[in-house]
Parts: sequence; C-alpha cells; structure tokens
Amino acid sequence: EVQLVESGGGLVQPGGSLRLSCAASGFTFSSYDMHWVRQATGKGLEWVSAIGTAGDTYYPGSVKGRFTISRENAKNSLYLQMNSLRAGDTAVYYCARGPLYSGYDRWGKGTTVTVSS
Amino acid sequence: DIQMTQSPSTLSASVGDRVTITCRASQSISSWLAWYQQKPGKAPKLLIYKASSLESGVPSRFSGSGSGTEFTLTISSLQPDDFATYYCQQYNSLWTFGQGTKVEIK
Repeated sequence: EVQLVESGGGLVQPGGSLRLSCAASGFTFSSYDMHWVRQATGKGLEWVSAIGTAGDTYYPGSVKGRFTISRENAKNSLYLQMNSLRAGDTAVYYCARGPLYSGYDRWGKGTTVTVSS
Repeated sequence: DIQMTQSPSTLSASVGDRVTITCRASQSISSWLAWYQQKPGKAPKLLIYKASSLESGVPSRFSGSGSGTEFTLTISSLQPDDFATYYCQQYNSLWTFGQGTKVEIK
C-alpha cells in the first residue's frame, strides 16, 4: 500500500526555520516526481514546491529563495527546508506524489506549521 | 503564471441533482488539468486527470471535459458522500490550483 507520512511541523517564530520530512513507502520512490502543497486554515490549496526524478526543482514566487525541496531516494524520503518563515506560511503542509502527465494520485495526511511569536 | 478561476465558489444542491463546476485557465493548458475532492480535515483526493480521465476507483458519476482554457467537472447524480470542496489544478506550466468550489446541501 502506498503511504506518505509527513513530519517535522510545529510552532516557529517569524524569521525562523523548519525542516519537514515525508516518508514514502509502498512504491518505487525514485521513479516519481514529488511535491509539497499547503493549505492555510479555511483557505484553498497552494502548490509549494516540486522535485523531479532527476533532482530538478521548482517553486512558486511566494517561496522561491526561502524554501528548498530535496529528496533522498536511498531513504525513500522527501524534505522541505523552510527558512525566513512568515506568518503567511502558517498552514497544513501535504506531501504528494505527482506522476508525470497526471495529477497528485497519493497524498499524505499533512503536518501543521504555525509561524507566530 | 497561469491563473485558474473556478465558478461558482459555492453551490447548493440536493441529492440526485446534476452538478457542474467550471474551471477557466488564464491561458491554454491543453488538457493538463486535474480535479480533486476534499472533505474537512482530510487530504484531497484525485478524481480526474488529463481533463477527462477518471482516476481508478472513482465512481463513474464523476466526469470531466474541456480543453484549452475551459473545463468542467460534472457529477451526474449527487450522492450524500459528494458534499465536499472541489479543486481544479493545471499542470501545463508549473502547477496552480483553482480557489475551490464548495458543494453544500440545499
């Protein structure tokens, strides 16, 4: 069974850093593009970052230069390093599997990040 | 950046109704569009990909159509389990979600 399990969320002060992890199982992790998507309370979904099978990375303007996505195929793990955090980054962060030419066919349950003093 | 606009934002309907949600892209995205269903406190679930392909395990009452800049998600006969929020997403150029459409009980 395909599983994605996020961890690493928590409370952090504005300007601080946090590293999220996503543990993947039940599929050949190295063969899939992977993404992070976030959702603030009561708001819609926002794509945060993507990493291809070759390690190519992509970001929207809202997080470019502050967030870094990475993967460690030997550990079946996806990461999101978040620096210079702002109150607007407060959200549930989901890890999602994104096969080429398809949507996100598997999602984790999410981890909550709260940026507040 | 490609913007995605869904309409309506909220839709009130009854069990058995035929429901249609529209998603418009700010520029052509060919057929690179997905639809998701999300229930409160849960992760989204993929319903449709490539504009009209039904994800495995998704009931056939869900269908998608369109190409270019205009797309629709149709639920042929609304069931109690379908009351949720629906999002479109383009993946032609990076990835962008629509703002969501909440389907509520009339």
